[in-house]
Amino acid sequence: KNEVEQSPQNLTAQEGEFITINCSYSVGISALHWLQQHPGGGIVSLFMLSSGKKKHGRLIATINIQEKHSSLHITASHPRDSAVYICAPSDNNDMRFGAGTRLTVKP
Amino acid sequence: EAQVTQNPRYLITVTGKKLTVTCSQNMNHEYMSWYRQDPGLGLRQIYYSMNVEVTDKGDVPEGYKVSRKEKRNFPLILESPSPNQTSLYFCASSHTPDTQYFGPGTRLTVL
Repeated sequence: KNEVEQSPQNLTAQEGEFITINCSYSVGISALHWLQQHPGGGIVSLFMLSSGKKKHGRLIATINIQEKHSSLHITASHPRDSAVYICAPSDNNDMRFGAGTRLTVKP
Repeated sequence: EAQVTQNPRYLITVTGKKLTVTCSQNMNHEYMSWYRQDPGLGLRQIYYSMNVEVTDKGDVPEGYKVSRKEKRNFPLILESPSPNQTSLYFCASSHTPDTQYFGPGTRLTVL
C-alpha cells in the first residue's frame, strides 16, 4: 500500500464548479504540503498545514490529523487552475509525495 | 526577487560523462533538497541538506552526490550518468520546517 494516496487521479470539471481533491497518508507527519505543478513543469507550494484549515483566495486546505486525511478544495474553478496537484506529508523535512491529481477545468 | 535557480534547465548527455546540476537560493534558507520526478513514480527525494556541511540521503541516492559548502548552493553531481537517470530534477529550499520553494526544474536525458 502506498504511503500517500490521492484521489481522484484525474478530474475534469466545468468552469465554476467546486473541486475537491483528497489525500490519505499512513506515515507520521509534522506537516502536510499541497503543491501545484503547472503544465510547463514548475512546482509551487500552495499550503503547508499541520492542523485545521487554511484559505488562500479560492483555495482551501483542511487536515484531520487523527484520520490522517487532508483535502484541497477549489471554489469557482477556472481554466487557469488546470494543473497537477500533489499532496506531500512531511516529518520535519522528510517529505513523501502522492502521485498527484491531474485537474482540467474546461471553459 | 526570492528564488531558487537551477542550471542547466535542459541537458542531453552520454553515459559516463560526469555532470553537475547547480542549485542556488537567495533566501538564506537552511534546508535544501533534490528531487527527481518520473512518470508513474511521482517525486522522490534524492538528497537533502539541513545546513552547511550537513547532507543526508533521501529515498533514491544511488548514483548521485551532493555538497553543501555554502548556504546558498547545493549542487547535484552525477559522476557516471546512466540512462536510468534520465528524469526531471527539482531543487527546493526552505527555512526548517516551512513552505518549500522549488526551482524551475532540469530536464536531463542520458543517452
